[in-house]
Amino acid sequence: DIQMTQSPSTLSASVGDRVTITCRASQSINNWLAWYQQKPGKAPNLLIYKASSLQSGVPSRFSGNGAGTEFTLTISSLQADDFATYYCQQYNTFWTFGQGTKVEIK
Amino acid sequence: EVQLMESGGGLIQPGGSLKLSCVVSGFIVSSNYMTWVRQAPGKGLEWVSIIYSGGTIYYADSVKGRFTISRDNSKNTLYLQMNSLRAEDTALYYCARGQANSGSYYGTFENWGQGTQVTVSS
Repeated sequence: DIQMTQSPSTLSASVGDRVTITCRASQSINNWLAWYQQKPGKAPNLLIYKASSLQSGVPSRFSGNGAGTEFTLTISSLQADDFATYYCQQYNTFWTFGQGTKVEIK
Repeated sequence: EVQLMESGGGLIQPGGSLKLSCVVSGFIVSSNYMTWVRQAPGKGLEWVSIIYSGGTIYYADSVKGRFTISRDNSKNTLYLQMNSLRAEDTALYYCARGQANSGSYYGTFENWGQGTQVTVSS
């Protein structure tokens, strides 16, 4: 099974900060990597697919990068609406999610 | 507008059975790949099962042999039959629609319902 490890688990930041979350796969997943945002009491929302493709309707301050085993999600200028938990997901072989990164207010 | 609405959750004793439903609108269930993903209280996301438009089905090892995914084309509805339920199956169960033209054999998930809670406890 492919394991996904996110870091950090929690990130404290302020509005306007540049934020980067890292996701590492236990083996190569090519670029079959997605990022989701989840707010409390809500369903996950697809932000990025194929490592760097922005899902329709998602603000351009979100970007994804990486290939193989190491990937990043960057929020260029954190907005109040962005405080949430973020999950990476591999879909190279079945589906596995990372454990999540909570972005909280500093 | 694409909408997914789960139902059928509840409190059930260990060893019991439940059948979850996911009624969709705005698209045709049988023309898309559809999945179930669960989230235990305060925990992360866990993929459970998937059914492709052609009928191919996969299950997570944790539910294989106990859960069955299916769909009713006439009702445009996705189901998850859950048998031999265990305490560790306690979670919020989401249904989701696969992303069209994902370019990947497996695909990712672009539309989600709000979930239905399953609690397994005596």
